[in-house]
Amino acid sequence: GAGVSQTPSNKVTEKGKYVELRCDPISGHTALYWYRQSLGQGPEFLIYFQGTGAADDSGLPNDRFFAVRPEGSVSTLKIQRTERGDSAMYLCASSPRQGGTGELFFGEGSRLTVL
Amino acid sequence: GENVEQHPSTLSVQEGDSAVIKCTYSDSASNYFPWYKQELGKRPQLIIDIRSNVGEKKDQRIAVTLNKTAKHFSLHITETQPEDSAVYFCAASMDQFYFGTGTSLTVIP
Repeated sequence: GAGVSQTPSNKVTEKGKYVELRCDPISGHTALYWYRQSLGQGPEFLIYFQGTGAADDSGLPNDRFFAVRPEGSVSTLKIQRTERGDSAMYLCASSPRQGGTGELFFGEGSRLTVL
Repeated sequence: GENVEQHPSTLSVQEGDSAVIKCTYSDSASNYFPWYKQELGKRPQLIIDIRSNVGEKKDQRIAVTLNKTAKHFSLHITETQPEDSAVYFCAASMDQFYFGTGTSLTVIP
């Protein structure tokens, strides 16, 4: 497809479980961002990849959160020992321009619910 | 990191009136300021942006102004229509993007 694809669209899990959320960016986009959006709030920055490397992971809330992008395309956000406070919409976005100067193309998001 | 504040959080206007949304940012190194529109249940989409070397930009009914000295920027929508109803987010960027908390705009027919 032409757009950013995120899977799963919905994930319900139990407290303490491990979760993986996948993002497939637009082909050729080198910049990839993960955001978390709670109801009524703006997207909260988590991590930014430039190619394969994490250029900035200062937004990850704690060491339970980790993200990878091993081949510079698909990225996976991994959450260990999930907590109820992790429940949110997780948005991925890619951009054709580096350094935060280009349009962000968002996916539809993965809604995570931790029971 | 950057801190972006956005006001108002909700805004209701009559169809045909203008709407103004304001944002401030904290880091003078930010150099790119996009605005995104998010309709209910949908992904955010870029509607207009401005770079730090420009003071104003207009695209049909939408305009954005930037005051670098005061570190604030605003979105102006003229001749509002019901389809403008959505949540609008401002953002400030250096490498990563920091978003405001959003403004829920309702245009009353």
